[in-house]
Amino acid sequence: EDKVVQSPLSLVVHEGDTVTLNCSYEVTNFRSLLWYKQEKKAPTFLFMLTSSGIEKKSGRLSSILDKKELFSILNITATQTGDSAIYLCAVDQGAQKLVFGQGTRLTINP
Amino acid sequence: DTEVTQTPKHLVMGMTNKKSLKCEQHMGHRAMYWYKQKAKKPPELMFVYSYEKLSINESVPSRFSPECPNSSLLNLHLHALQPEDSALYLCASSLHPGQGLSGANVLTFGAGSRLTVL
Repeated sequence: EDKVVQSPLSLVVHEGDTVTLNCSYEVTNFRSLLWYKQEKKAPTFLFMLTSSGIEKKSGRLSSILDKKELFSILNITATQTGDSAIYLCAVDQGAQKLVFGQGTRLTINP
Repeated sequence: DTEVTQTPKHLVMGMTNKKSLKCEQHMGHRAMYWYKQKAKKPPELMFVYSYEKLSINESVPSRFSPECPNSSLLNLHLHALQPEDSALYLCASSLHPGQGLSGANVLTFGAGSRLTVL
């Protein structure tokens, strides 16, 4: 069965801390891995990763994929209260199907 | 326009009612999706339309009926729902319906319609 597992499920840190969110996967077909941020409603796209070892970076957020070990990490440095959200990892298997992980609920306390 | 717009934002309905959720995008995306999301759970795929044709139905009960009148609009018709159908219903779109293109499935989500069935 295809599955995407995120850890931790919940994380509470103080503003300014650095966090690492994990996503591991076991799927029959892999095209890319996607990270989304979901605050109140709509998930918003963060990164798409297709190749191992190539870091994607956007401001304080960065992500990398390891296709040999079947995982990805999302790093957030110098966290701010606005980073509080649920972070979703999803694997694109092609054929228009995304397999989502359970999400990591990140809370940044001032 | 880089948005997916969903209406209504909130909907409360009885089990005998008929209602519809609407979704619109003007980004030229040719794939549109309905997802259902329960509290503290990831989105679950319900339906996919590719070039206005239904391409995926994830064994969704017939009380949910999707419709894609044109490439910009997607509806979800609701009839005789159950209280357990209460959830956030997310519409999404992507540029290309698969076609082996990397990034074809980067979804743009709408803000969702929160449905409560009494």
